[in-house]
Amino acid sequence: QSALTQPPSASGSPGQSVTISCTGTSSDVGGYNYVSWYQQYPGKAPKLMIYEVTKRPSGVPDRFSGSRSGNTASLTVAGLQAEDEADYYCSSYTGSLHVFGTGTKVSVL
Amino acid sequence: EVQLVQSGAEVKKPGESLKISCQGSGYTFTSHWIAWVRQMPGKGLEWMGFMNPANSDTRYSPSFQGQVTISADKSINTAYLQWSSLKASDTAMYYCARSDGPTWGIWGQGTVVTVSS
Repeated sequence: QSALTQPPSASGSPGQSVTISCTGTSSDVGGYNYVSWYQQYPGKAPKLMIYEVTKRPSGVPDRFSGSRSGNTASLTVAGLQAEDEADYYCSSYTGSLHVFGTGTKVSVL
Repeated sequence: EVQLVQSGAEVKKPGESLKISCQGSGYTFTSHWIAWVRQMPGKGLEWMGFMNPANSDTRYSPSFQGQVTISADKSINTAYLQWSSLKASDTAMYYCARSDGPTWGIWGQGTVVTVSS
């Protein structure tokens, strides 16, 4: 069971948008509507930002949005703010287990 | 308030055993699966395994099968992650998380485990 593939890093200036990809297979990302995205600051627990591909938990800014095309899911952060600088991980249900992505460090220039 | 509170940091020697805990509060403990996640220093997140506290149904990710044991005590709303013989490579931060359907929305604060001779 391999980790989902994410780019190691992404960056943007304040106010710009950044999109992070998460590539899996038809057995995970492409096979179930259960892709989630987590934000993690150094030394802190992950925080759920997107679930079921496109849904936002209460309290998560609407600047964060999720989408999917085939076996690749994406997280877009619009109107980048300094506090968005963090690590982001995707996760997908695989039918019996879950698998994380490799993680992407987002930098705000 | 719904929360998961994990046990404190541990420093152990190779070969020793260890059991860390994750206590749920503010919700019905048996209504939600609990997962354990490993994060090695400077590395990404890894799902280790998942347990249904209602019936002890437990599933392990292939990399962790046979390496750790996940259990729970429903009477005290607590889940456990256990090693019988620690290795230096078990040095990591360990998180527990609570399911909301197929999503994991509530996380513990993490437990640092250091294994060193």
